[in-house]
This record gives sequence, structure tokens and C-alpha cells, in this order.
Amino acid sequence: ETGVTQTPRHLVMGMTNKKSLKCEQHLGHNAMYWYKQSAKKPLELMFVYNFKEQTENNSVPSRFSPECPNSSHLFLHLHTLQPEDSALYLCASSQVSDTTPGANVLTFGAGSRLTVL
Amino acid sequence: GQNIDQPTEMTATEGAIVQINCTYQTSGFNGLFWYQQHAGEAPTFLSYNVLDGLEEKGRFSSFLSRSKGYSYLLLKELQMKDSASYLCAHMDSNYQLIWGAGTKLIIKP
Repeated sequence: ETGVTQTPRHLVMGMTNKKSLKCEQHLGHNAMYWYKQSAKKPLELMFVYNFKEQTENNSVPSRFSPECPNSSHLFLHLHTLQPEDSALYLCASSQVSDTTPGANVLTFGAGSRLTVL
Repeated sequence: GQNIDQPTEMTATEGAIVQINCTYQTSGFNGLFWYQQHAGEAPTFLSYNVLDGLEEKGRFSSFLSRSKGYSYLLLKELQMKDSASYLCAHMDSNYQLIWGAGTKLIIKP
């Protein structure tokens, strides 16, 4: 496996279900991200983990719960979602540098397409 | 506040040249990125500009003017496989990426 892999690629769930999205990066990067992508809208940053510590939580509802057990794996636990949460959820990783923090190139996974009924 | 604008959709002909513009307003600036995203696939990195001017990479070039808050992505010798969405993003003073909504580029034979 190379790059960033996400599973499942597609997920349909009811509002009362609990499910998890999984992301794995094989690049040796030190930062991982969850983004939400809705049609015709900018990417929304949800969570950032830098060196396994959560550094950003951009006012995401508590029904989304991230978990980063190590620098290669990232999970997004989903619970009692709403239909408006239906979207493509993208995981990304990058190598954040202290000397050139602006040159932060993200490598994305192909995403998990979530539909909430 | 911070804002970034790019056209929603553009159409071009195979073999031609197309320029996708991106304008931004920000209180701080640490670089401008372009990503390509084919339907159903991951966004992939195309270019990063932090200084004014034109950066060329094969058929793709990216331009930046920091004083005007303006960038463009230039695609030459268009191929059908260039049909995709092109995402513009700038990095603000806190090293956070601010994304545009993307430009869907349709290539016609």
C-alpha cells in the first residue's frame, strides 16, 4: 500500500447508527487531517493531529469524534448523525516542517462517501 | 475576514489553453496552492507559489501576484484527462489553508 488509504469508500447509515471511518498513511508523515467536502463548497477542515496530538478542532459537532492512536492511523467515529452530514470525508497527511511551515503539501486519500438517511 | 474566489465551471477545447483564476483576501499570507481532483478521486497537489511570478511545470503553470491577491493556473495543450476540478487554497498567517470551492473544468473534443 502506498499513499493515504481510506475505508470504507462508501457508507450509508441511519441517524441512530454508530460507524467509524478509517484512514491510514504510508508516507511517514507527522500530521493527519479530516476534511469534509460538500458539493460546490470549499473544503472544511474538521480536525488536525500533529505528532499524534489534536491541534485543531474547528467547532465540529460532538457527533463527530476523532481518534489518532499513532502517527499512521486516524479514525473518525460517527454517532447520531444528521442528513446534512452527508458528504465526502477526506483524510490527508503531510510532513509539517518547522523551517518551512508554509510549504505544507497535503496528500489526500480518495475519501469516504457518507450518506445519512 | 478571509475569502477566496474562483469560477464555478469552465469549458475548453482539447488542444487549447485555459486559465483558471483565483482571487483571495487575507490578513496574512504564506503561500498559494493548486490541487487537481478528478471525480471520485483524491485531490492531488499541482503547485505551490509563495513568491510573485510564474512557476512552470510541463503543461501546467501557476502565477502569483501577492499585491493583487491573485493567482492563476494555466493549462496548455489540453487533454481530455485534464477534465477535473481545480482547487485553489491559500495559507494564512496561522498556517491554516483557506480553500476555494473549486473550478470544474470540462474539456470538449
